[in-house]
Amino acid sequence: DVVMTQTPVSLSVSLGGQVSISCRSSQSLVHNNGNTYLSWYLQKPGQSPQLLIYKVSNRFSGISDRFSGSGSGTDFTLKISRVEPDDLGVYYCGQGTQYPDTFGAGTKLELK
Amino acid sequence: EVQLVESGGGLVQPGRSLKLSCAASGFTFSNYYMAWVRQAPKKGLEWVATISTSGSRTYYPDSVKGRFTISRDNAKSSLYLQMNSLKSEDTATYYCARRDGYNWFAYWGQGTLVTVSS
Repeated sequence: DVVMTQTPVSLSVSLGGQVSISCRSSQSLVHNNGNTYLSWYLQKPGQSPQLLIYKVSNRFSGISDRFSGSGSGTDFTLKISRVEPDDLGVYYCGQGTQYPDTFGAGTKLELK
Repeated sequence: EVQLVESGGGLVQPGRSLKLSCAASGFTFSNYYMAWVRQAPKKGLEWVATISTSGSRTYYPDSVKGRFTISRDNAKSSLYLQMNSLKSEDTATYYCARRDGYNWFAYWGQGTLVTVSS
């Protein structure tokens, strides 16, 4: 199985600040078809996860351009700029390149 | 608006069975792969099962293979998860999710809690 390692485990940020979350996979996430199926999800307190980014850098419908994804192969990053109160929660990366789908353990974003 | 509404969770004894349902609306259900993802209390996300558009192909991780069965009824826009031989480690909130591009979870339901305990 592909192991997804997220760092840091938690992050404190001031409103209006910028943060980066790292996600590293134990194997390359490049699919045989050339696509890289790395996604980012946010789970706000008491809510279901929601999709933010798919295929490394594509923002899902309705997601602010303050969220950006980058990376390739085994190393990926989610950047959040101008952090707002509604951005707080736990962020997960996930891979869908090979079964079983696997997720990182999560990064908790809190207010400083 | 895409909506996924799970039901069927509850308290069940170890070794017993439970069937979860997910009612989908707001999109053409038969056009999408669907999946179940679970989250144990205070833990991360774990993929549980995926089913193809017609239901002819299903996929499971080793942790539930042979015990869980995913199915769908496209006429009713409904997704199901039959869970047999339940164990305490199956205790979790189970989310129904629409799987877009075959490879990411675009929409999630609100979840239904399954507690396996004697």
